[in-house]
Amino acid sequence: KAGVTQTPRYLIKTRGQQVTLSCSPISGHRSVSWYQQTPGQGLQFLFEYFSETQRNKGNFPGRFSGRQFSNSRSEMNVSTLELGDSALYLCASSLAGEFDEQFFGPGTRLTVL
Amino acid sequence: AQSVTQLGSHVSVSEGALVLLRCNYSSSVPPYLFWYVQYPNQGLQLLLKYTSAATLVKGINGFEAEFKKSETSFHLTKPSAHMSDAAEYFCAVSDQGTGFQKLVFGTGTRLLVSP
Repeated sequence: KAGVTQTPRYLIKTRGQQVTLSCSPISGHRSVSWYQQTPGQGLQFLFEYFSETQRNKGNFPGRFSGRQFSNSRSEMNVSTLELGDSALYLCASSLAGEFDEQFFGPGTRLTVL
Repeated sequence: AQSVTQLGSHVSVSEGALVLLRCNYSSSVPPYLFWYVQYPNQGLQLLLKYTSAATLVKGINGFEAEFKKSETSFHLTKPSAHMSDAAEYFCAVSDQGTGFQKLVFGTGTRLLVSP
């Protein structure tokens, strides 16, 4: 069974631009969560989507948004990029229930210049 | 709010030596606790989790952790380190009311294993 895939793996953008990252969950998984990993702040939860609805949300500004499609694939968008948005963005998928294990993808490395 | 603290950003051991990575939690309710490992350029892999079923939890790759409520600790151990254990390890607690889906991570401990 294929794992969680994230595209692209690497991305370079400039300040003020916007970016969209994609995550394809493990087949059959309906929940997708996003995390931001930076050297300064560590791993921080962004949001979780289940059945196309946001089920949980972290403490990030409104520039960070996400959505989930009917096939469970998810995208996250960051608008008006700032230097501090440079990070590894990790996506995790789980079956459906709140007590199902999360499986993480390899991440997308975003660099903002 | 739930939180975890990992003591030591770097831990160095020799191959064959005991591995001990420390994690203390803060939670107003019985917590769900996790240990994850991250290898370079890879995502996180779950090593083990505590869900109140048993205080001593055995995980993959020979790792185990013991939940000690009196010490609010959930330290990760492995009797004998292997070179392949070199990686970054994260302790995490799930945010109250979110099951396993909204995790609050510690700052991580990088394990270095020397021959």
